[in-house]
Amino acid sequence: GQQLNQSPQSMFIQEGEDVSMNCTSSSIFNTWLWYKQDPGEGPVLLIALYKAGELTSNGRLTAQFGITRKDSFLNISASIPSDVGIYFCAGHNAGNMLTFGGGTRLMVKP
Amino acid sequence: SQTIHQWPATLVQPVGSPLSLECTVEGTSNPNLYWYRQAAGRGLQLLFYSVGIGQISSEVPQNLSASRPQDRQFILSSKKLLLSDSGFYLCAWSTHSNQPQHFGDGTRLSIL
Repeated sequence: GQQLNQSPQSMFIQEGEDVSMNCTSSSIFNTWLWYKQDPGEGPVLLIALYKAGELTSNGRLTAQFGITRKDSFLNISASIPSDVGIYFCAGHNAGNMLTFGGGTRLMVKP
Repeated sequence: SQTIHQWPATLVQPVGSPLSLECTVEGTSNPNLYWYRQAAGRGLQLLFYSVGIGQISSEVPQNLSASRPQDRQFILSSKKLLLSDSGFYLCAWSTHSNQPQHFGDGTRLSIL
């Protein structure tokens, strides 16, 4: 089946740093979604992208739908401690099935 | 506004016992409903989805089954739990199959 390759798998952040993560696929997707999951909770939708090239912001978060429709990135500016968690990308294919990436775990530098 | 409820939040069950997890959605009609399993530190695996009452599609052959007895109620069941059924179970809904899914808070299932 289709796969979404999400990277990095994990990263440490220091408060105030900008963060970037991305998802790529060998297949075309019609939508790209970004979710955040806190420990013990369900994923929460952060940003939804519906058109190739679309750039959308939600506060300090910015995500883009790649022109080729095979990739998307999520940037977090000026990170704060509550940004820690697991971020998932997800995409709808032509058959409207939603595929999830493996997640990026954001942690705070000790 | 729409809300989704899952219960119980945590469950500890012995091997071989039955299972019933419930999910209900409020504030919308005829939603698409989904059950996912998430292993610790891993991604989400789609188990079942439903586009209407009594309509269930299974994505992965397994020891589990799903039912949708009412428009906004989705139930995940098993007759005899296995150790491998442990995990974090998430229910989700969407207005349409090509729209974003919205998740409940999950049920942490531990099999002893």
